[in-house]
Amino acid sequence: GESVGLHLPTLSVQEGDNSIINCAYSNSASDYFIWYKQESGKGPQFIIDIRSNMDKRQGQRVTVLLNKTVKHLSLQIAATQPGDSAVYFCAENPHGGGFKTIFGAGTRLFVKA
Amino acid sequence: DTAVSQTPKYLVTQMGNDKSIKCEQNLGHDTMYWYKQDSKKFLKIMFSYNNKELIINETVPNRFSPKSPDKAHLNLHINSLELGDSAVYFCASMATETQYFGPGTRLLVL
Repeated sequence: GESVGLHLPTLSVQEGDNSIINCAYSNSASDYFIWYKQESGKGPQFIIDIRSNMDKRQGQRVTVLLNKTVKHLSLQIAATQPGDSAVYFCAENPHGGGFKTIFGAGTRLFVKA
Repeated sequence: DTAVSQTPKYLVTQMGNDKSIKCEQNLGHDTMYWYKQDSKKFLKIMFSYNNKELIINETVPNRFSPKSPDKAHLNLHINSLELGDSAVYFCASMATETQYFGPGTRLLVL
């Protein structure tokens, strides 16, 4: 079936470095993509989103890149901080898929002080 | 003024018991969800309601029964609890296409 997957289940970075979390999706009908951050003991929280008519979107310290040719999504975190340590999920909303969001498996980000 | 709240936060119970988890959102959203998150952090959708009507019902055992008394509330009742039901259950509500999650209910079945 269609799925959203991640290339790296665990990522460890030094504080102050940039982090890149990758995600592959297989549903070419998806037209909306979201990154969520889940801190320990909490529910996932929206970070940033992007529509399929864009290839880049920037937020505060975060950037999402979308490559529709290879069905790849990435989240870049600039100057990673200890507070960025969390599990990150990519998610996709298939066009015409109704209310169903498909979540990827998650990547755990460790930030070393 | 929590946006999506769930009770209880922790639930420890014996196999065979029946339990309920409650969810409330004060965001005015029409759509609400229940997800199950396993120990590997995989988020699996269980149910979704839109304006009190069931719109998504994934392959979930019929021991699980959602109820939406109004569009601000979505409760989950579980009958005859099994060991495999141990997980974190998240409620979420949706605005347009973005979901807002509750803090989760950690269920442990002994």
